Amino acid sequence: KQEVTQIPAALSVPEGENLVLNCSFTDSAIYNLQWFRQDPGKGLTSLLLIQSSQREQTSGRLNASLDKSSGRSTLYIAASQPGDSATYLCAVRPGSTSGSRLTFGEGTQLTVNP
Amino acid sequence: EAGVTQFPSHSVIEKGQTVTLRCDPISGHDNLYWYRRVMGKEIKFLLHFVKESKQDESGMPNNRFLAERTGGTYSTLKVQPAELEDSGVYFCASSQGVLTIYFGEGSWLTVV
Repeated sequence: KQEVTQIPAALSVPEGENLVLNCSFTDSAIYNLQWFRQDPGKGLTSLLLIQSSQREQTSGRLNASLDKSSGRSTLYIAASQPGDSATYLCAVRPGSTSGSRLTFGEGTQLTVNP
Repeated sequence: EAGVTQFPSHSVIEKGQTVTLRCDPISGHDNLYWYRRVMGKEIKFLLHFVKESKQDESGMPNNRFLAERTGGTYSTLKVQPAELEDSGVYFCASSQGVLTIYFGEGSWLTVV
């Protein structure tokens, strides 16, 4: 059974700081990994999708890496801003393309202080 | 392009009542998913439709939950009768193939 763990559970940083969020998963047979953000009372916004064959993906100030063999992914946020404050979730999709379910971590609650 | 839309956004019902949640996926997306997050827990998969067919419903907690997808378009998730432990946020999501999954804003259910 796939389990996803996110560390830390909460993080508070001053504006402008670079930061790293961690995600680990127990079964390395994944098809892809997706990072989401969730603002309070809102839905999930997809940030980055990394296929199992890829090592990293970048979008603006965000960079996500994937080390499938060790079961780890990191989300790097450069020059953090107060608007980055949200809960960040990672989710993995099983290795079979017929696998449909995402397995989520519990999330990292990020607060960026002005 | 419209995203995944869900209705109602919030619902408060009494234990034993029935609630029906609706989801309209992104146009053209054959895959539709239901997930939920109960208080203090991670988001968990409920079921997956491909067009109008249930591809995987192994995450449905019990037979008080019934999901349908009419004509491969919108989907409904009915909880009957609702119990206190059903409180949480129910997310609908859709995708085309195995690529990015797009989530709706969620339907926040409180059973009192």
